[in-house]
Amino acid sequence: AQSVTQPDIHITVSEGASLELRCNYSYGATPYLFWYVQSPGQGLQLLLKYFSGDTLVQGIKGFEAEFKRSQSSFNLRKPSVHWSDAAEYFCAVVSYGGSQGNLIFGKGTKLSVKP
Amino acid sequence: EPEVTQTPSHQVTQMGQEVILRCVPISNHLYFYWYRQILGQKVEFLVSFYNNEISEKSEIFDDQFSVERPDGSNFTLKIRSTKLEDSAMYFCASADDTYQPQHFGDGTRLSIL
Repeated sequence: AQSVTQPDIHITVSEGASLELRCNYSYGATPYLFWYVQSPGQGLQLLLKYFSGDTLVQGIKGFEAEFKRSQSSFNLRKPSVHWSDAAEYFCAVVSYGGSQGNLIFGKGTKLSVKP
Repeated sequence: EPEVTQTPSHQVTQMGQEVILRCVPISNHLYFYWYRQILGQKVEFLVSFYNNEISEKSEIFDDQFSVERPDGSNFTLKIRSTKLEDSAMYFCASADDTYQPQHFGDGTRLSIL
């Protein structure tokens, strides 16, 4: 069965430091991958997506992610973290179990930013 | 930018009661979804809806749940005879195609007492 693994439950970084959030997926073919961010009390906001083509994708708020087929990974990066980036981050893949684009989410990584 | 809106933001209900969670998807979207997130757990798919019928549903989505698009703008999730374990954040999402990004609402926090 398809799955998404985010191995880090909670990460703390200093403001201005670089960030990498890990995501691994299990799926045979090329997946459709997403990163969403959830601020406290808010819904899920799309950061970026990967469908095909260039394996390095740019998103909003200065985030980028790199698709690595050999490692089944889609890690999210940001070169310099801002205090407003503190939130929970979810990696997701479109389920191919059906045909309607249902998303399978990872458990999320909570990001804390210290001054 | 168009948004998905959900009401109410917080619903408190006695166990055994019925609740209806409401969503207004983005107007030109055709695919609608409900997900839930139990506190501290991951977001889980409940059901997808297209062309006025359920397309897919997860094993969570049993006979206690139903969805409806009563008019051209609203999309509702009904939970009959609520249980304590139904307490969660429920998210509505919509998309204009199955493999396009889904746009999520801010969620309804459902608390069952």
